[in-house]
Amino acid sequence: GNSVTQMEGPVTLSEEAFLTINCTYTATGYPSLFWYVQYPGEGLQLLLKATKADDKGSNKGFEATYRKETTSFHLEKGSVQVSDSAVYFCALSDPAGGFKTIFGAGTRLFVKA
Amino acid sequence: NAGVTQTPKFQVLKTGQSMTLQCAQDMNHNSMYWYRQDPGMGLRLIYYSASEGTTDKGEVPNGYNVSRLNKREFSLRLESAAPSQTSVYFCASSYGNRGPNTGELFFGEGSRLTVL
Repeated sequence: GNSVTQMEGPVTLSEEAFLTINCTYTATGYPSLFWYVQYPGEGLQLLLKATKADDKGSNKGFEATYRKETTSFHLEKGSVQVSDSAVYFCALSDPAGGFKTIFGAGTRLFVKA
Repeated sequence: NAGVTQTPKFQVLKTGQSMTLQCAQDMNHNSMYWYRQDPGMGLRLIYYSASEGTTDKGEVPNGYNVSRLNKREFSLRLESAAPSQTSVYFCASSYGNRGPNTGELFFGEGSRLTVL
């Protein structure tokens, strides 16, 4: 079955540091890949997405590239801010699976001033 | 636009009590979902409704029932609550398999349920 594995947290960084959160997936079809972000006390919201191999999703300085050969979708940001502190979820939606979205366990990011 | 609205936001139940979580979306989405979020486990799908009039089990359906009341509303019912159902519950919606279709989900703010 489909699954998503992402690096465990928490990740603690100083402001302006480089961020990478690793995400790998297994899927039977050709999924779309997503990163969602959850700020304290809120629901999840879409951060970025990529719908096919080699696509790069980007938003708010975050980027992730859909790598079919390594089945990965790592999240990166060149310079994090305190306001980026949140929980980040990698997810996939597979047309072969009826578009049900499968989530990773989430990675909590703390950014210190 | 309100997006996805869930009620209640907080609820405390005793073991064996029943309750219904309500969810409504105003984006004319076809598909709706109920997830639960537990520490270290991400979000797990309880039930979903691909379109009005259909419902299907997700990964963790035991102890829950759902009703797709109309296109806008999708409720989740706990008939006899158990401490293992203490969790944060999220309703979500999407276009599903019609129209703009990249599987993107739109979430409500969550309902925190404690079962004593």
